Amino acid sequence: DIQLTQSPSFLSASAGDRVTITCRASQGISSYLAWYQQKPGKAPKLLIYAASTLQSGVPSRFSGSGSGTEFTLTISSLQPEDFATYYCQQLNSYSFTFGPGTKVDIK
Amino acid sequence: QITLKESGPTLVKPTQTLTLTCTFSGFSLSTSGVGVGWIRQPPGKALEWLALIYWDDDKRYSPSLKSRLTITKDTSKNQVVLTMTNMDPVDTATYYCAHRGAIAGGYYGMDVWGQGTTVTVSS
Repeated sequence: DIQLTQSPSFLSASAGDRVTITCRASQGISSYLAWYQQKPGKAPKLLIYAASTLQSGVPSRFSGSGSGTEFTLTISSLQPEDFATYYCQQLNSYSFTFGPGTKVDIK
Repeated sequence: QITLKESGPTLVKPTQTLTLTCTFSGFSLSTSGVGVGWIRQPPGKALEWLALIYWDDDKRYSPSLKSRLTITKDTSKNQVVLTMTNMDPVDTATYYCAHRGAIAGGYYGMDVWGQGTTVTVSS
């Protein structure tokens, strides 16, 4: 069973900041990784798949990188609407586990 | 336009079986590569992946919950049903169903989600 960890678990930042979130897998998952954004009371939204491919309609300030066991989600210039919780998900194995999440809050 | 909507009881008693239905539109679950999954989220906690069924009836389950879960599809009704046995208060959560498209092969994520349905387990 593949486990995912995320760091940090909580991030306080200001609008305009560059933000990086890391997701690590307990074993290699190639590029079978997706990132989601979730706002309070709402369903998650797919941001990135295949580790680095931007989902249609997602702003270009979001980017993803990595392969194997270490992945990053970067927001190049944080906007007010980006304050949310971010989850990674692996899709490599029989079951598609999520990471524990990273909450991005306003400083 | 793809839409999904979850339905089922809002309250179940401990030890009972939960049955949730995901009714969808805008796609066919007989299209090659397409899947529908279930994910839950306890109040204030992280997402937990539960199960997924593919167009060809391939079924995937969370290893930790596999003994309690069953996922089925009714292609003619555009529905996917999840049953979870022996419910416990720790299973109190918002339950989501979501679409997984056939784009990019196995690399694609869950691109369209339902609004979620809240299930409380209490006597």
